[in-house]
Amino acid sequence: KAGVTQTPRYLIKTRGQQVTLSCSPISGHRSVSWYQQTPGQGLQFLFEYFSETQRNKGNFPGRFSGRQFSNSRSEMNVSTLELGDSALYLCASSLGDSPSYEQYFGPGTRLTVT
Amino acid sequence: TQLLEQSPQFLSIQEGENLTVYCNSSSVFSSLQWYRQEPGEGPVLLVTVVTGGEVKKLKRLTFQFGDARKDSSLHITAAQPGDTGLYLCAGAGTNAGKSTFGDGTTLTVKP
Repeated sequence: KAGVTQTPRYLIKTRGQQVTLSCSPISGHRSVSWYQQTPGQGLQFLFEYFSETQRNKGNFPGRFSGRQFSNSRSEMNVSTLELGDSALYLCASSLGDSPSYEQYFGPGTRLTVT
Repeated sequence: TQLLEQSPQFLSIQEGENLTVYCNSSSVFSSLQWYRQEPGEGPVLLVTVVTGGEVKKLKRLTFQFGDARKDSSLHITAAQPGDTGLYLCAGAGTNAGKSTFGDGTTLTVKP
């Protein structure tokens, strides 16, 4: 079974630009979560989508948005990029309806904002 | 808000030593997961514990879930350089689809 894939793996953007990251979950998984990871803040939860609906949301500004398609693939968008948005963005997929809630992570997208 | 505290934050040991990493909370979790992450990669799921008092072993790694399902520990026996990485615990509560992650323990095992 193929794992979680994220594209692109690396991205360099300029302040003020916008960016879209993509995540393809494990086949059969209906939940996709997005996290931001920085050295100082650890793993911060952005949002979670389940069956095309945003089910959970973290404490990030509205510049961060996402969506999920009918095939469970998900995209995350960041508008008006700031230097502080430089981070590793991870997506994780899971069945979404299991009480144990095991998540399987992709390799991440390393975003650098200059 | 459910919080998970991991300790120690950093750990540097010699090959062959034993170590224990702790994950503590004041909240009850329905399950708890442990992950290991290597630089530049995503976390990899190691184990899930569900029942209070549960103990699971994965080769030289032993995971324990507290009786009250509020804390967990990871014990590594005879650590090897390949064990080096960031160890993260994550708790699943009553809110379906959301886990709370600890800040992680960075382990370095020197040959």
